[in-house]
Amino acid sequence: GNSVTQMEGPVTLSEEAFLTINCTYTATGYPSLFWYVQYPGEGLQLLLKATKADDKGSNKGFEATYRKETTSFHLEKGSVQVSDSAVYFCALAGGTYKYIFGTGTRLKVLA
Amino acid sequence: EAQVTQNPRYLITVTGKKLTVTCSQNMNHEYMSWYRQDPGLGLRQIYYSMNVEVTDKGDVPEGYKVSRKEKRNFPLILESPSPNQTSLYFCASSLSARGNYGYTFGSGTRLTVV
Repeated sequence: GNSVTQMEGPVTLSEEAFLTINCTYTATGYPSLFWYVQYPGEGLQLLLKATKADDKGSNKGFEATYRKETTSFHLEKGSVQVSDSAVYFCALAGGTYKYIFGTGTRLKVLA
Repeated sequence: EAQVTQNPRYLITVTGKKLTVTCSQNMNHEYMSWYRQDPGLGLRQIYYSMNVEVTDKGDVPEGYKVSRKEKRNFPLILESPSPNQTSLYFCASSLSARGNYGYTFGSGTRLTVV
């Protein structure tokens, strides 16, 4: 079946550091891929998405590229801020109309 | 404002006492879903609905019921709650069941069953 694996956290970075959170997936067909962010005490918010191979999703300085050859959708940001501290979830939506979420990666950015 | 509204935000109840968590969306979305979030397990789908009167089980449906009588509402019912249903619950909606639209999530309901 479909699955999503993302790197274990927590990830702790200093402000202005480069961020990478790895996400790989297993799926049949051509799923859509998403990154969601959850700030403390809130629900998940859609951060970015890509619906086909080689698409790049971007939002708020975050980027992720849908790589079919490596079945990956890594999240990157060139310069993180304290306000980026949150839990990040990689997710996949496939042909069964079900979303599969990763277990989440907590990011802590220190001033 | 486009949103998914869940109530209550916090709930403490006793084992066996029936409860309902409400979920309402104002975006005319077809697809709605309930998730529970537990440490180390991420989000697991409980039930989903592809449209009015169309519901189906997710990965962890035991002990839960849902209904979809109107497009905007998708309540989650625990007929006889047990302590293992203590969790953080999220309702989410999407424009359609096709996977490429993304979800809008509610703010969550933290349920404690004692």
